[in-house]
Amino acid sequence: DGGITQSPKYLFRKEGQNVTLSCEQNLNHDAMYWYRQDPGQGLRLIYYSQIVNDFQKGDIAEGYSVSREKKESFPLTVTSAQKNPTAFYLCASSHRRGEQFFGPGTRLTVL
Amino acid sequence: GQQVMQIPQYQHVQEGEDFTTYCNSSTTLSNIQWYKQRPGGHPVFLIQLVKSGEVKKQKRLTFQFGEAKKNSSLHITATQTTDVGTYFCAGPPNNFNKFYFGSGTKLNVKP
Repeated sequence: DGGITQSPKYLFRKEGQNVTLSCEQNLNHDAMYWYRQDPGQGLRLIYYSQIVNDFQKGDIAEGYSVSREKKESFPLTVTSAQKNPTAFYLCASSHRRGEQFFGPGTRLTVL
Repeated sequence: GQQVMQIPQYQHVQEGEDFTTYCNSSTTLSNIQWYKQRPGGHPVFLIQLVKSGEVKKQKRLTFQFGEAKKNSSLHITATQTTDVGTYFCAGPPNNFNKFYFGSGTKLNVKP
């Protein structure tokens, strides 16, 4: 099956901890994206990558970091510098400017 | 900066009534995409419009892309309870590859 997966589905973090969210796709897409969604809100772009070993900041990159060492993988690290990380995190992939395929998302809660 | 706004924010309709959501971008978009997100789920791609003035139909759904490629609309005829969810528009500006999502319109359909 082709698709995009995210893990874990739910994640709990203590204040001051870094956590890494996984995103993997086997759709052979060049572009991958990370979005944050707060309750009742739209999607805000955190980081995006158009090609392996390259990525760009979105609108709310502060407190987050990413890597793109493989075409299939685009992990997101939520660092302790992110002051309000509790949210729903969505990863997506696409061909250039094409339809975005979303993963099921990770719900992060800070305890 | 780039902004994509949608109105209305919420819409409550009786089953069988029509529904329309409007999307407006502060800059010209190379294409417009529409997504639907069911409660608790992730966004799912509905359609992409590329040409100025383009109109596309999917059964009861009609999508339009404005002549200036800065606005778009989604119209649902005779809503059903299965139409419940939040509808987002999204698009990349002409000279960038990252996507901007609209704020979304949440549709509730009463049986």
